[in-house]
Amino acid sequence: DARVTQTPRHKVTEMGQEVTMRCQPILGHNTVFWYRQTMMQGLELLAYFRNRAPLDDSGMPKDRFSAEMPDATLATLKIQPSEPRDSAVYFCASGRTGGTYQETQYFGPGTRLLVL
Amino acid sequence: ILNVEQSPQSLHVQEGDSTNFTCSFPSSNFYALHWYRWETAKSPEALFVMTLNGDEKKKGRISATLNTKEGYSYLYIKGSQPEDSATYLCAFAPGGGSNYKLTFGKGTLLTVNP
Repeated sequence: DARVTQTPRHKVTEMGQEVTMRCQPILGHNTVFWYRQTMMQGLELLAYFRNRAPLDDSGMPKDRFSAEMPDATLATLKIQPSEPRDSAVYFCASGRTGGTYQETQYFGPGTRLLVL
Repeated sequence: ILNVEQSPQSLHVQEGDSTNFTCSFPSSNFYALHWYRWETAKSPEALFVMTLNGDEKKKGRISATLNTKEGYSYLYIKGSQPEDSATYLCAFAPGGGSNYKLTFGKGTLLTVNP
């Protein structure tokens, strides 16, 4: 049963520290999405990659957040420096996109981040 | 900013009741509408992807309809069970080359009392 995996599942850190979250998409999926879930905003799209190329990161605070996909099996989301307002659950999702079809996105278990 | 609204925000029903809730989305530049089921402490799980006006999809006791001209979709649950308790999310996919850039509603939290 193929799944998206994310590490770490939980992270508590102090303000100013660097946080790196990792995601392994489902094998064969060509698109990876990063979402943030907060009580106020719900699920917001931060960035996404297709065939490892960043397509849109307009949802991401540029000054402190960065997303990369060094290879097809690994996507990373980094926050440096972290701030208390970054506390949220960060989800990675993967899917197949392209052409005229619309397929569902498969979500990982999320990384619960708390910045003190 | 795309407006995707879900109502009601939360809903309590008794086991065996049938229920439905609404997702409204922009009626222009429509590409697809997704429904997800999200149980507490888990990750969102796909229910349906709907693309055609008038489409109706069914999965067990859960079904959904789509009206792209007026910009709404209904999700129906027949004979609710306690295990149906979850947040149900809809997500709008626009056309124009960004059709995988989903905008999610804030969800309807369903609680089914035994």
